[in-house]
Amino acid sequence: AQKITQTQPGMFVQEKEAVTLDCTYDTSDQSYGLFWYKQPSSGEMIFLIYQGSYDEQNATEGRYSLNFQKARKSANLVISASQLGDSAMYFCAFSGAGSYQLTFGKGTKLSVIP
Amino acid sequence: EAGVAQSPRYKIIEKRQSVAFWCNPISGHATLYWYQQILGQGPKLLIQFQNNGVVDDSQLPKDRFSAERLKGVDSTLKIQPAKLEDSAVYLCASSFSRSTSSSGNTIYFGEGSWLTVV
Repeated sequence: AQKITQTQPGMFVQEKEAVTLDCTYDTSDQSYGLFWYKQPSSGEMIFLIYQGSYDEQNATEGRYSLNFQKARKSANLVISASQLGDSAMYFCAFSGAGSYQLTFGKGTKLSVIP
Repeated sequence: EAGVAQSPRYKIIEKRQSVAFWCNPISGHATLYWYQQILGQGPKLLIQFQNNGVVDDSQLPKDRFSAERLKGVDSTLKIQPAKLEDSAVYLCASSFSRSTSSSGNTIYFGEGSWLTVV
């Protein structure tokens, strides 16, 4: 079974600074997808960014980028120029080949300090 | 475009009572998911529908949980009888297709239904 590990229960970052949230995964699949979601206190899971295992370039979406290191099985989320509204839980999720579901990590609580 | 709609947003019930949650997915999305998220954890899949058929319900506690998706659109998740450990957020999600291995089939979530069992 696939496993997703987020080792940082909580992170603090100064407003306007960049922050990296760690995510590692364990799989024997060759084809898979990695997702990051943001969950504010309201509870909704907001899709941020996706990386496919065969994508040669790291995914970027606005201030979000995914630092994908396939050999190390890591898919870290980088948020540039942090804003107060970025304070939330962040979840890394994995979907394997032929899988119809997302397996989530335990999440990282990000707090942005003014 | 309207997102995934869920109701009720909050529910408090006593143990052994029953509760039902409703979900309306994004228009045109064939795949619907119910996830359970216990406080401090990531969401866990309970059941997945493709149109009105069940694709995966291996993690659904079938002695107390049931779900249906009549006509392949709206879905209802029921818990009867509820236990204290069922206290969680129940997230409904939908995607255009069954595969999640491409960005085009990203899963979109609703705001969740918060259940407290006392």
